[in-house]
Amino acid sequence: DAGVIQSPRHEVTEMGQEVTLRCKPISGHDYLFWYRQTMMRGLELLIYFNNNVPIDDSGMPEDRFSAKMPNASFSTLKIQPSEPRDSAVYFCASSFRGQGESPLHFGNGTRLTVT
Amino acid sequence: SQQGEEDPQALSIQEGENATMNCSYKTSINNLQWYRQNSGRGLVHLILIRSNEREKHSGRLRVTLDTSKKSSSLLITASRAADTASYFCATLFQTSGSRLTFGEGTQLTVNP
Repeated sequence: DAGVIQSPRHEVTEMGQEVTLRCKPISGHDYLFWYRQTMMRGLELLIYFNNNVPIDDSGMPEDRFSAKMPNASFSTLKIQPSEPRDSAVYFCASSFRGQGESPLHFGNGTRLTVT
Repeated sequence: SQQGEEDPQALSIQEGENATMNCSYKTSINNLQWYRQNSGRGLVHLILIRSNEREKHSGRLRVTLDTSKKSSSLLITASRAADTASYFCATLFQTSGSRLTFGEGTQLTVNP
């Protein structure tokens, strides 16, 4: 298996622009997580899905952020409009089971820079 | 905050030495996991230990869990330069569904 695939690896955009981050989870994994990593705040869970349904989005910073999972093999995280404080590394992860019963498999992240 | 806190924040040792990292948390957990992150990469799972377990081993890794003290430790024996990375504990609290909460990590540097 190729693992969790994220695209793009790097994204540089100007404030106010829309940004879309993409993730392909490992086939057969029922859970998908979006995390954000910064030096100041560490790793923060933004949202997670179970069987394509959003379960907990309490970590989504504000209405500018939205996430979708239209099918079991694809998810997007969208920021509209983007702001410089959104600059971070965004990770997607998937797991076979929930409740922490199986490990998370992380992609290599998308490094977002908003100028 | 519910998240685990690692100690120390940074650790520098020589190749061949053992490295011990600690994680403390505040509320009851279902399980605790340790992850490694190499620079510029995603996190990689190392070990999962459940709340009813006290110790687990995987190769050169040994994890202990003391629920009475709400703490865990990760021991890497006979360290290698390739072990240089950040190490994170992640806790699943009893009321958090599938929300895994990560600590701030320990940056380990193993000098050849």
